[in-house]
Amino acid sequence: AQSVAQPEDQVNVAEGNPLTVKCTYSVSGNPYLFWYVQYPNRGLQFLLKYITGDNLVKGSYGFEAEFNKSQTSFHLKKPSALVSDSALYFCAVRGPGGGGNKLTFGTGTQLKVEL
Amino acid sequence: DAGVIQSPRHEVTEMGQEVTLRCKPISGHDYLFWYRQTMMRGLELLIYFNNNVPIDDSGMPEDRFSAKMPNASFSTLKIQPSEPRDSAVYFCASSNFGLGYGYTFGSGTRLTVV
Repeated sequence: AQSVAQPEDQVNVAEGNPLTVKCTYSVSGNPYLFWYVQYPNRGLQFLLKYITGDNLVKGSYGFEAEFNKSQTSFHLKKPSALVSDSALYFCAVRGPGGGGNKLTFGTGTQLKVEL
Repeated sequence: DAGVIQSPRHEVTEMGQEVTLRCKPISGHDYLFWYRQTMMRGLELLIYFNNNVPIDDSGMPEDRFSAKMPNASFSTLKIQPSEPRDSAVYFCASSNFGLGYGYTFGSGTRLTVV
């Protein structure tokens, strides 16, 4: 079975500082990994994905994520946080063929960026 | 493309009434997913379809819930009878996994059962 862990319910960071939102995964075979963001009263929006290739993936709004196979992690990062980045962030994983072609989501991490 | 379209955006109903939520996926997407989001349980997968066929409904909480996908452009999630504990935001998402993409989510339906 595939699974995702987001160990932090909330992350607080000051505007201008770098941010990291953590994610670890468990899946058989090579994973497809995703990050989504949810703003209040909105659906989830795609941020970035890792399928294959370069371990550092760049996505929307200046976010990036680093795939680390040995640590089974896919942490989301941004060099300089903005107050407008405050939202709920979800990591998700899909197995290469098993898992029924469905994404498994983490429980979400609330990011709060303060002035 | 207009994205995944869900209706209604908000629904308030009385306990015992039937509720029908609707979803129009992105044209060309062959997978459709129904999720429920609550503060207590987070994001739960209820059911998903591939080429209009239900593949996994193990997340449907009980027989009061049913979902259909009569064609590639329309799906419904029905709750009959509704109960206050069904109050949640229900999301529909679609995908074309042939391209290795994730999901595109709709804006959700906020259901309140009183």
